[in-house]
Amino acid sequence: AQSVTQLGSHVSVSEGALVLLRCNYSSSVPPYLFWYVQYPNQGLQLLLKYTSAATLVKGINGFEAEFKKSETSFHLTKPSAHMSDAAEYFCAVKKISNTGKLIFGQGTTLQVKP
Amino acid sequence: ETGVTQSPTHLIKTRGQQVTLRCSSQSGHNTVSWYQQALGQGPQFIFQYYREEENGRGNFPPRFSGLQFPNYSSELNVNALELDDSALYLCASSSVGDTDNEQFFGPGTRLTVL
Repeated sequence: AQSVTQLGSHVSVSEGALVLLRCNYSSSVPPYLFWYVQYPNQGLQLLLKYTSAATLVKGINGFEAEFKKSETSFHLTKPSAHMSDAAEYFCAVKKISNTGKLIFGQGTTLQVKP
Repeated sequence: ETGVTQSPTHLIKTRGQQVTLRCSSQSGHNTVSWYQQALGQGPQFIFQYYREEENGRGNFPPRFSGLQFPNYSSELNVNALELDDSALYLCASSSVGDTDNEQFFGPGTRLTVL
């Protein structure tokens, strides 16, 4: 069965500092991987996705993630945090053969301090 | 291009009642997925509809049911509401045939069961 683990339910960084949000997945076959962001009282917005092409994926708002099969990881990074990055971030996995059913991690709350 | 819309935005019900939530898919999309997001948790897959039929279901009891209409909009029905049904219900639309089947989320319906 597929699963996603996000290490750290809360991450706090200073404005301008590196953002690193960790995601590890478990899957018997190579999956598709996603990072979503959720602002308060809103739905989910796709930041970036890995769909078996380049292992380093660039997304919106300066975020990127690297798929590492050997480590079963898909960590999200941003070189310099901005106050507007404060939100909830979710990593999700989906079987390539499955038309739906995203499996989400528990989420990581990113706090950005001035 | 119109995005995914959901109605109502907020809803309060009492235990034992029934509720219907609605979702309009993004233009050009033919598949709708529903997720339940409890407070502080990641979204959990309820089910998906494609061609007006259920196309995959998560670990939810039969009192959670749905419909998809010819215009691809969808309803989520929950009977015999329980306190634990209080959550944000997210609808996502996608298109079978897209290589990565990216799902686009609506803003959600916040259901409170008293």
